[in-house]
Amino acid sequence: EPEVTQTPSHQVTQMGQEVILRCVPISNHLYFYWYRQILGQKVEFLVSFYNNEISEKSEIFDDQFSVERPDGSNFTLKIRSTKLEDSAMYFCASSDVGGGQLEQFFGPGTRLTVL
Amino acid sequence: AQSVTQPDIHITVSEGASLELRCNYSYGATPYLFWYVQSPGQGLQLLLKYFSGDTLVQGIKGFEAEFKRSQSSFNLRKPSVHWSDAAEYFCAVGVKSGNQFYFGTGTSLTVIP
Repeated sequence: EPEVTQTPSHQVTQMGQEVILRCVPISNHLYFYWYRQILGQKVEFLVSFYNNEISEKSEIFDDQFSVERPDGSNFTLKIRSTKLEDSAMYFCASSDVGGGQLEQFFGPGTRLTVL
Repeated sequence: AQSVTQPDIHITVSEGASLELRCNYSYGATPYLFWYVQSPGQGLQLLLKYFSGDTLVQGIKGFEAEFKRSQSSFNLRKPSVHWSDAAEYFCAVGVKSGNQFYFGTGTSLTVIP
């Protein structure tokens, strides 16, 4: 069964450093998403991506964040200069079409720890 | 603004007992409702979803959920819990006007022998 994969499973970084979180969505999916969950809080939407551009983003997704689909399989989230409050679990998801009524398939997450 | 509340942070049940996990949402129109489960080290797996029609929906692993518009609720139920059901459960709302999901904080389920 196809699944979304994410690497690394755990990333530790120093404050101010850049990190890139990687995701491989399901191969025939066209919509891609990043969510995050700070420990003990809700899973929060960051951004959705379709046709090589951002289709929707939340207020959390500021200039420190960027997303890219560098090739036909990977979807990345970059945080330019990490802050302590960026420590969270980051989930990638994909869906074959867009719209809030359709299932999004989630990866296992990357736990980011900023020291 | 849309929001989802899962009032129970942690629930412990005995194996074989029934289970109900609560979910309340706030949204001005009919929402699209989902329950996901996350086992340790795994991604969020869809258990079931509601879009329209019959308000009682059946999902995988013997789970069901009932949409109650009057209570703005979408509670998840299982008549007899198995030890393998121990996991984190997330309720989510999708909206017609966008792609994002709105999640609750999750309910952690522990199953005791």
